[in-house]
Amino acid sequence: EDKVVQSPLSLVVHEGDTVTLNCSYEVTNFRSLLWYKQEKKAPTFLFMLTSSGIEKKSGRLSSILDKKELSSILNITATQTGDSAIYLCAVEPRGGSQGNLIFGKGTKLSVKP
Amino acid sequence: DAGITQSPRYKITETGRQVTLMCHQTWSHSYMFWYRQDLGHGLRLIYYSAAADITDKGEVPDGYVVSRSKTENFPLTLESATRSQTSVYFCASRVSTEAFFGQGTRLTVV
Repeated sequence: EDKVVQSPLSLVVHEGDTVTLNCSYEVTNFRSLLWYKQEKKAPTFLFMLTSSGIEKKSGRLSSILDKKELSSILNITATQTGDSAIYLCAVEPRGGSQGNLIFGKGTKLSVKP
Repeated sequence: DAGITQSPRYKITETGRQVTLMCHQTWSHSYMFWYRQDLGHGLRLIYYSAAADITDKGEVPDGYVVSRSKTENFPLTLESATRSQTSVYFCASRVSTEAFFGQGTRLTVV
């Protein structure tokens, strides 16, 4: 059975800290891995990763995929209170339920002033 | 307005009633999905659709029915609501890259 596991489930840090969120997966025929940020409403897209070792960056956020280790990390540097959210990792398997994303349970990040 | 919209945003219903949650997208994306989000479970797929008139079950389909007569609409019906279906429901659409989510419907079954 395909599954995605995120760790930690929750994390509390102070503004200015750097955090690393983890995502590991077990899927047959991996196609892509996606990161989303969810505040109070709908998840919003952050990154899509398909190739190992290529870092994607957007401001203070960055992510990288390791296909050998079947995992990905999401880094946030110089955290701000606005980074407080649930971060979701999702994996798309190739074939089967095409187009579907299998989500992890998320990491709840709280950034304190 | 462009995007994906869900209605209603909030709904309270009684056990045993039929409830329909609406989802409409303006991009003509081929894939559409219904997820439910519960504490401790994350997002779980209920049903998905690859195109008009093509639907299939996801991880937790029991008690739900979907249809897709038009590409842009993907309603989700709870045939006889139960308290275990109290949840936040998200509709999503995608082509080949990221999925775009609606704002969610918070459903409470009393």
